[in-house]
Amino acid sequence: NAGVTQTPKFQVLKTGQSMTLQCAQDMNHNSMYWYRQDPGMGLRLIYYSASEGTTDKGEVPNGYNVSRLNKREFSLRLESAAPSQTSVYFCASSRLAGDKDTQYFGPGTRLTVL
Amino acid sequence: DAKTTQPPSMDCAEGRAANLPCNHSTISGNEYVYWYRQIHSQGPQYIIHGLKNNETNEMASLIITEDRKSSTLILPHATLRDTAVYYCIVPGSNSNSGYALNFGKGTSLLVTP
Repeated sequence: NAGVTQTPKFQVLKTGQSMTLQCAQDMNHNSMYWYRQDPGMGLRLIYYSASEGTTDKGEVPNGYNVSRLNKREFSLRLESAAPSQTSVYFCASSRLAGDKDTQYFGPGTRLTVL
Repeated sequence: DAKTTQPPSMDCAEGRAANLPCNHSTISGNEYVYWYRQIHSQGPQYIIHGLKNNETNEMASLIITEDRKSSTLILPHATLRDTAVYYCIVPGSNSNSGYALNFGKGTSLLVTP
């Protein structure tokens, strides 16, 4: 079991460029999440998918879009990257929807927008 | 929703027990206490969770007071690899989304040789 995997591990973009962060889990979990973590701060929820076919906004969704491609995969897209989106992005999954079930995290994608 | 309070930092000697406290005085009867940790540059890692009874797994023990207003995470024999930020979380606390874990600032544990 690989758990939660994320690609790429590192990425540097120029302002205005677009990219997609990929996330996959092999635990047959129903729910998946995207968080961002800025230096010295806690994680903030961007978007989540409670189950396959559904997505909802979290605390900081502006500038992002998501796709729950299938039960395993949940991608995060930046259509026009901005320096304020420089951050570490973590994907997570849980068996049940909601914050009352254990969430398992991937290793993160470190994104720099110049 | 319960809010948690943790000391910002703690030190522990390698091989000794690390006892990390957490206050959650407004916790309600059906809310669990979760502990996660984040080793530098890695994703958060689940450690343990509990409701009322003390819990133990291969990583740690969780002691919850009888009134449930506080808890202590115990790493029985801390190693250098346990150096990390430890987060005590009562799900749903201070979050705009019911699905977000509120990590707060946690306790930075430094295990020294």
